Amino acid sequence: GQQVMQIPQYQHVQEGEDFTTYCNSSTTLSNIQWYKQRPGGHPVFLIQLVKSGEVKKQKRLTFQFGEAKKNSSLHITATQTTDVGTYFCAGEGSNYKLTFGKGTLLTVNP
Amino acid sequence: SQTIHQWPATLVQPVGSPLSLECTVEGTSNPNLYWYRQAAGRGLQLLFYSVGIGQISSEVPQNLSASRPQDRQFILSSKKLLLSDSGFYLCAWGAANYGYTFGSGTRLTVV
Repeated sequence: GQQVMQIPQYQHVQEGEDFTTYCNSSTTLSNIQWYKQRPGGHPVFLIQLVKSGEVKKQKRLTFQFGEAKKNSSLHITATQTTDVGTYFCAGEGSNYKLTFGKGTLLTVNP
Repeated sequence: SQTIHQWPATLVQPVGSPLSLECTVEGTSNPNLYWYRQAAGRGLQLLFYSVGIGQISSEVPQNLSASRPQDRQFILSSKKLLLSDSGFYLCAWGAANYGYTFGSGTRLTVV
């Protein structure tokens, strides 16, 4: 079945440093979605990427979808303490089901 | 606007006891509904999904079952809980090519 790998598992940064998490799928995806889960909370949808090579930005967050539609990345510029949480990618295959990566836990030292 | 309600927020149950978690959605009709479990390792495991009333697909064979008695109601059940059933249970609704909206979750501890 479809597998989505996400690295790194953990990332600790100093406030102001950049952060990137990477996602790779074993199969070609129809779209990829990104979610953020604050400590103690539930996952919250951030964005969806559909097109090959697509790049989207949300303030300090930049999302990319690979040309082959099998990989993606989330980059945060100049992290803030409010960025703390676990970031998940989730790939949607041809069966309309989402497969989540295991997430990257980001901690930020003020 | 669409909202999703999930309760209870926290539950402590003894081994061997039954379980019933309920999820309801407002503001949309015929939603695709999902039950996920999140263990301490943070990954989200899809347990069940439903595309309509009475239609349930199971992703992982286990001690749990799901039912969808009404269009906007999704229930997760167990007849006898195991210690390994402890975790954070999340209900979600979503449609093809749209993001999922998760409920606030139920933290289940089986003791």
